[in-house]
Amino acid sequence: QVQLQESGPGLVKPSETLSLTCTVSGGSLRTYYWTWIRQPPGKGLEWIGYIFDNGNTNYNSSLKSRVTISLDTSKNQFSLNLTSVTAADTAVYYCARRVGDFWGQGILVTVSS
Amino acid sequence: ETVMTQSPVTLSVSPGERATLSCRASQSVYSNLAWYQQKPGQAPRLLIHGASTRATGIPARFSGSGSGTEFTLTISSLQSEDFAVYYCQQYNNWPPSITFGPGTRLEIK
Repeated sequence: QVQLQESGPGLVKPSETLSLTCTVSGGSLRTYYWTWIRQPPGKGLEWIGYIFDNGNTNYNSSLKSRVTISLDTSKNQFSLNLTSVTAADTAVYYCARRVGDFWGQGILVTVSS
Repeated sequence: ETVMTQSPVTLSVSPGERATLSCRASQSVYSNLAWYQQKPGQAPRLLIHGASTRATGIPARFSGSGSGTEFTLTISSLQSEDFAVYYCQQYNNWPPSITFGPGTRLEIK
């Protein structure tokens, strides 16, 4: 059974970079693509982007200028960087496989000084 | 961008009754449509993909139908554990750009 686990700081200052890592266990990063999704408190789900096992990426156009997703197959991890964050980026961040057949438990990231 | 809408916003149904949730896409997504269930404090759980295929381990009381722009999730006989928020998601084109609907809250009547 594939399991995903997000990790990273729970508090980020405005204008700084949010960095999260998703560790995948019980399966390889190969063959699939790997996704980041977020959910502001009390609101709906927003797709951020994903990365294929060959390193190709696809990002939400509304976030594209600030997002980078990368892959480390040696560690079975993929990562999210979101630059120039504001309070509007406060959310639970989820990593998932493909469009969402497996999800991590989510990590709350608050943007505040 | 394909915009997803869901109706109703909130649905009140008694246990044992049938619930019907709707999802509409602003343009055709063919059968590239998934449904998720989310309970408070939990990650979403995939219920249906390909508009009508139940994900592994999902009970048969959950069924999906539709194609193109109109989709339906039906829960045939509501159990207490089914009261949650339900999201539809489209993943059309390749590589897919993914968008979610705003969700329907299914509550106990």
